Amino acid sequence: DVKVTQSSRYLVKRTGEKVFLECVQDMDHENMFWYRQDPGLGLRLIYFSYDVKMKEKGDIPEGYSVSREKKERFSLILESASTNQTSMYLCASSLQAAGEETQYFGPGTRLLVL
Amino acid sequence: QKEVEQDPGPLSVPEGAIVSLNCTYSNSAFQYFMWYRQYSRKGPELLMYTYSSGNKEDGRFTAQVDKSSKYISLFIRDSQPSDSATYLCAMSAGSGNTGKLIFGQGTTLQVKP
Repeated sequence: DVKVTQSSRYLVKRTGEKVFLECVQDMDHENMFWYRQDPGLGLRLIYFSYDVKMKEKGDIPEGYSVSREKKERFSLILESASTNQTSMYLCASSLQAAGEETQYFGPGTRLLVL
Repeated sequence: QKEVEQDPGPLSVPEGAIVSLNCTYSNSAFQYFMWYRQYSRKGPELLMYTYSSGNKEDGRFTAQVDKSSKYISLFIRDSQPSDSATYLCAMSAGSGNTGKLIFGQGTTLQVKP
């Protein structure tokens, strides 16, 4: 079974703090994704990566950065957290092959920025 | 107009009812279609995966794709309270190597005992 783990289930941070969200997958997937999920807005793609050290902006990259130094690990960084970044953050991974578009999600991190 | 439209609900049904969840889309290049189930405060989990048009059945769940109408459906037979969750449709054109999926907003389903 594919397993995607996220470093924290719940986080509380102060405005202006630097926040690191870690995601690890154990199935040797090439693609990894970071989403945020908000009521009424659905899933929104922040960044994704299709290879080590490669990254692509998603639909809402502003205020975020990412790092992928190893294939299994994809980090989301909030350089200076703001209250409008309070959200549920979801990491996902998938294989890079035709017919393998299914993304496997982690349990999510609920971030509260005060 | 969004690429994928999904009524957010909420949809409330009695236990045992047949549930129909739907998504419409605008991109005729989409050929891979998925349904995810997301319980409250959890990550989405894959429920059904369909390639191109047609039906796929798995237990009480049936996924249907009508590419000519750009319309996909998920049917749940004999619905149970444990089916109460948010259901997200997702789709992809499958081209390139980015693996990006386009998600619907999700429909919240409540099955009442």
